[in-house]
Amino acid sequence: QVQLVQSGAEVKKPGSSVKVSCKASGGTFSSYAISWVRQAPGQGLEWMGGIIPIFGTANYAQKFQGRVTITADESTSTAYMELSSLRSEDTAVYYCARVRYSSSFQLTLECDYWGQGTLVTVSS
Amino acid sequence: QSVLTQPPSASGTPGQRVTISCSGSSSNIGSNYVYWYQQLPGTAPKLLIYRNNQRPSGVPDRFSGSKSGTSASLAISGLRSEDEADYYCAAWDDSLSGGLFGGGTKLTVL
Repeated sequence: QVQLVQSGAEVKKPGSSVKVSCKASGGTFSSYAISWVRQAPGQGLEWMGGIIPIFGTANYAQKFQGRVTITADESTSTAYMELSSLRSEDTAVYYCARVRYSSSFQLTLECDYWGQGTLVTVSS
Repeated sequence: QSVLTQPPSASGTPGQRVTISCSGSSSNIGSNYVYWYQQLPGTAPKLLIYRNNQRPSGVPDRFSGSKSGTSASLAISGLRSEDEADYYCAAWDDSLSGGLFGGGTKLTVL
């Protein structure tokens, strides 16, 4: 059974960084991509970016370019999302999701398994 | 404001059929697959439809997806109280080289 288990809730100061982990089990980590999606309180879903672990190259939403770094460690089947220069608007639940990539090795939005979500609160 | 446009709300009575629309453009829906997600309160989203009209194992056939040009729709037939949730469409955007979600539609079962 595929499971994605994320790290616990974080409280951060404005201007700092946060790194959220996502450990996969029950599947072949290298056969899928991992994407990160966030949801601000009472708001909709927002795609942040993703990575295909066997290639190691991440793709980021333009909104987060320069502020987000997504990495993956195949040896531990764990993906990470680090967001820097935090501001209050970054307060949200951050989800990782297992994603099927296309036959041309492109990310898709076919997120078949999701982590439980990690609440990141940015407050002074 | 999302590039993929959904109505903010929809409603229906038990047993009814409801549809939720998702409008995009040639760079997203018009040239890529559409996905639909269901999110129950306080839970992670769940994949409902992939590649425009395919249902993952375990998703009832009451849920169906379609796409035409730059728009897509999710239909739910035989509406049940447990279908009350937020529904999101999603598609890749070639111009942005990134993924997009619609703003979401809150479905109420009256």
